[in-house]
Amino acid sequence: GAVVSQHPSRVICKSGTSVKIECRSLDFQATTMFWYRQFPKQSLMLMATSNEGSKATYEQGVEKDKFLINHASLTLSTLTVTSAHPEDSSFYICSARWRAEDTQYFGPGTRLTVL
Amino acid sequence: QKEVEQDPGPLSVPEGAIVSLNCTYSNSAFQYFMWYRQYSRKGPELLMYTYSSGNKEDGRFTAQVDKSSKYISLFIRDSQPSDSATYLCAMEYGNKLVFGAGTILRVKS
Repeated sequence: GAVVSQHPSRVICKSGTSVKIECRSLDFQATTMFWYRQFPKQSLMLMATSNEGSKATYEQGVEKDKFLINHASLTLSTLTVTSAHPEDSSFYICSARWRAEDTQYFGPGTRLTVL
Repeated sequence: QKEVEQDPGPLSVPEGAIVSLNCTYSNSAFQYFMWYRQYSRKGPELLMYTYSSGNKEDGRFTAQVDKSSKYISLFIRDSQPSDSATYLCAMEYGNKLVFGAGTILRVKS
């Protein structure tokens, strides 16, 4: 199956700093990438959808100025959590798909802890 | 009312048992139905993907979709301790994937 990687797998940072998470599709070109957030013992919640070369579409309640998404190429999307606070601590998971009729392939996730 | 309802469990079964996991949904616009397996602190892994009512089998796994009742199921035969994980149902319409809460499954050896 298709492989999606994320980096870093785990990050701990101080409150007020910004953190960048990378999502890469390793063996296919991802026209669409998705970013999810998962709090402990809860399911995945879609944060935003991004298509290569265009602005991301954010879900209701997700602050686009706080969670900056860049999808500059067909194999890379980045999520930057700006001025992170403890309540932003969560498991962030990306997924990618090649065509609209394909399923989404998920990355291994990034655990963010903000102190 | 949530769009997708899933019993969070935990569900504990002995090795070799048949496991039945279920989800109900309210949005008739959902077109695609999936089951994912998620191990602790890992990303979801796709198990089954269907788009029509009926059964789909893959090894020890069978996915069942009943669009008239808005109900989907995943059956696991001959369950193994390695099947212990959280199982997430997911449904898609347009470009949006909506997940259930996930059911924690524990298979005891």
